[in-house]
Amino acid sequence: SQKIEQNSEALNIQEGKTATLTCNYTNYSPAYLQWYRQDPGRGPVFLLLIRENEKEKRKERLKVTFDTTLKQSLFHITASQPADSATYLCALDRGSSNTGKLIFGQGTTLQVKP
Amino acid sequence: NAGVMQNPRHLVRRRGQEARLRCSPMKGHSHVYWYRQLPEEGLKFMVYLQKENIIDESGMPKERFSAEFPKEGPSILRIQQVVRGDSAAYFCASSPPFRQKETQYFGPGTRLLVL
Repeated sequence: SQKIEQNSEALNIQEGKTATLTCNYTNYSPAYLQWYRQDPGRGPVFLLLIRENEKEKRKERLKVTFDTTLKQSLFHITASQPADSATYLCALDRGSSNTGKLIFGQGTTLQVKP
Repeated sequence: NAGVMQNPRHLVRRRGQEARLRCSPMKGHSHVYWYRQLPEEGLKFMVYLQKENIIDESGMPKERFSAEFPKEGPSILRIQQVVRGDSAAYFCASSPPFRQKETQYFGPGTRLLVL
């Protein structure tokens, strides 16, 4: 069956360090992968989208990689700040589907300590 | 440009009552998605609608749940005869025409509590 896995354990890091979050998937051939941020009591906020033919994408302090052979995406936040503390969700499309329906991982909670 | 609006933000219902959740997409967006987030679980797709059409309802329970997106007005997710297991956060997302496979903009969610 199709599955998306994110590290369910919270990630605790010191301010200024690089946070690296992992998203693994099985039995999918997604056309693209997205990362969202979700704060408690709020809806997800889009951060980055990377397509299957792209290896890496950057936006300010954020970097995403997409390895379709390993079926894995890594999400990096450099020079992390306490304000980066949140839950980060990865989401995949269904590949052959045209509907835009997204399949989400459970999310990884990041805590950046000052 | 206002974001995706959802109301109510919190809804309390007793078992057997009906719950109506409303979603107004961003201006110019013609695609609406509903997702459910159970405690300690990820977001699960429920239904995808365009104006006056249900495109994909593969994630919606077959009974008691229905959704619509009329020509005028917000999208409505309706849950009849609610049960305690329906307690969850329900999120609506929208995307613009021809970009439904890309960024989805989420609303703040409606938190439903069934007593």
